[in-house]
Amino acid sequence: GAVVSQHPSWVICKSGTSVKIECRSLDFQATTMFWYRQFPKQSLMLMATSNEGSKATYEQGVEKDKFLINHASLTLSTLTVTSAHPEDSSFYICSASGQDLSETQYFGPGTRLLVL
Amino acid sequence: DQQVKQNSPSLSVQEGRISILNCDYTNSMFDYFLWYKKYPAEGPTFLISISSIKDKNEDGRFTVFLNKSAKHLSLHIVPSQPGDSAVYFCAASDAGNTGKLIFGQGTTLQVKP
Repeated sequence: GAVVSQHPSWVICKSGTSVKIECRSLDFQATTMFWYRQFPKQSLMLMATSNEGSKATYEQGVEKDKFLINHASLTLSTLTVTSAHPEDSSFYICSASGQDLSETQYFGPGTRLLVL
Repeated sequence: DQQVKQNSPSLSVQEGRISILNCDYTNSMFDYFLWYKKYPAEGPTFLISISSIKDKNEDGRFTVFLNKSAKHLSLHIVPSQPGDSAVYFCAASDAGNTGKLIFGQGTTLQVKP
């Protein structure tokens, strides 16, 4: 149980385009989903927290207009990187937690974004 | 301000021996701690957790110890296996509030056959 999927796993796009990443909880209802970013050989940095049906809470320094988060249902959250630039190239990981899962977050497999 | 610190970036142990990964934190409000294992280009996998009301939690080969007075926790893996080679992250949460996890920098464990 507690499986989280992400799609796509790998995406290459041109500078200036927008990219949408999906995060799904497959076997539980995710009341809260989190989006992280990881640079090579660094720790996971929380970008934002989203609760189903409400606006996401962004961490300091994360541009909300740049990284659009939608948590429309208890099993799906999306992160859209708008007008992507090469510096947005990174590994994006989502996690999800549910009311029955205590505080444990279960992570998706990640999405590697390369902006040319 | 790094609230969760893993001061050893890497650790190498022999197969069959014990691996001890350490983690320190500064925020006394943290009351739930987790360890995750991560392979390159994959998401972290949950290993084991511990609540602040406990000082030890064991699950198979994995044991987590918590010393609240020292604000220190450790993950023991025994016996270590080559398949345990990965990056290990400790994370802390102030639970009940936002559920946000604060991660350490990670320790790369290499288990040699």
